[in-house]
Amino acid sequence: DAKTTQPTSMDCAEGRAANLPCNHSTISGNEYVYWYRQIHSQGPQYIIHGLKNNETNEMASLIITEDRKSSTLILPHATLRDTAVYYCIVRADSGSARQLTFGSGTQLTVLP
Amino acid sequence: GAVVSQHPSWVICKSGTSVKIECRSLDFQATTMFWYRQFPKQSLMLMATSNEGSKATYEQGVEKDKFLINHASLTLSTLTVTSAHPEDSSFYICSARDNWNYGYTFGSGTRLTVV
Repeated sequence: DAKTTQPTSMDCAEGRAANLPCNHSTISGNEYVYWYRQIHSQGPQYIIHGLKNNETNEMASLIITEDRKSSTLILPHATLRDTAVYYCIVRADSGSARQLTFGSGTQLTVLP
Repeated sequence: GAVVSQHPSWVICKSGTSVKIECRSLDFQATTMFWYRQFPKQSLMLMATSNEGSKATYEQGVEKDKFLINHASLTLSTLTVTSAHPEDSSFYICSARDNWNYGYTFGSGTRLTVV
């Protein structure tokens, strides 16, 4: 699975959009970009994933660059409850279950 | 959506005793489950992959005789920490692949404190 690079921490004002970048310059053509978040002392929570097209769901939007070497997770209207560590993970979806490998992630702090 | 239930959410045990942690997939079948460990201010580290009906696969450096994994059904995997020591105190998290979003659903985690 390709390695990812994320900033260690970010702050965002409540009600504003939070844009979390992820660099995955060695991504392969069959590898997806997954985003999870972990609120303190809880298990990780799935947010969104995509291959090459931009994706949106009720939680967030995922913007993947055309060359697929980086992506941005967007939380359109951040709330205090969005304070968490956000993990960007790249892996192939081979159809069989393989583990997710977590990097250090980005600590997002939403400020009142 | 997919739900993975993990119990207990926290446990305190004495050094030398064993602790069992359960991980259940509530609305889907999971032939494979994963067990992670997370120390304070660190990321999740995979301990082992649990396969229904067969032996678990352990990551390098994880003692299989200390961390016993049983995956006897398609909805239940258990992790038993045997002869626990204070250095085993950690946050243990299980996960399973679901077919709902083709992602991985995680349990809420178990905080183990060995005193």
